[in-house]
Amino acid sequence: AQTVTQSQPEMSVQEAETVTLSCTYDTSENNYYLFWYKQPPSRQMILVIRQEAYKQQNATENRFSVNFQKAAKSFSLKISDSQLGDTAMYFCAFKVGFGNEKLTFGTGTRLTIIP
Amino acid sequence: EAQVTQNPRYLITVTGKKLTVTCSQNMNHEYMSWYRQDPGLGLRQIYYSMNVEVTDKGDVPEGYKVSRKEKRNFPLILESPSPNQTSLYFCATAVGGLFYEQYFGPGTRLTVT
Repeated sequence: AQTVTQSQPEMSVQEAETVTLSCTYDTSENNYYLFWYKQPPSRQMILVIRQEAYKQQNATENRFSVNFQKAAKSFSLKISDSQLGDTAMYFCAFKVGFGNEKLTFGTGTRLTIIP
Repeated sequence: EAQVTQNPRYLITVTGKKLTVTCSQNMNHEYMSWYRQDPGLGLRQIYYSMNVEVTDKGDVPEGYKVSRKEKRNFPLILESPSPNQTSLYFCATAVGGLFYEQYFGPGTRLTVT
């Protein structure tokens, strides 16, 4: 069974600063996907970024980037130039490649951007 | 517009009164799933469906039923709700196979008193 651990229940950072959210996972699979989802106060689940395990290059989406360390089973999210709209709950999630498309989620990190 | 809709968005009910939360998608996705979100636990899968008439249990199926009679709909049924089913529920869909993108509905906040 896969597990996802987010060890930071809450974080806060000043606007325009950089913040890194941690995520570790445990799996015996070799092919899998990792995701970061954002959940703002509206409760909508929004995909922020994804990483395919077979890709060595870290994924980047505008101000969001990941540090994927496959051997260490670590998948952190870096938010640069943080904005007030980044205030949300962030979930790290894991998916094995084929079959049940189940996402295994971490417990979330509540991020607050301070004006 | 690609959409996953859930109804109702909010529901307060009493213990034992049967209820159904509907989920509908217009993307012709084969895969549909239900999750519940609880504080400190993240989202956990309740049931999923790989296609019409094919459903299977997720991690926390106790107290829930589902059906998939047509591709676009995947209702979640609570035949005898209990207070421990008070939660935020999400429906999600995916093309299936090797595609990773999942689309989430807006969520249903359920309170059972």
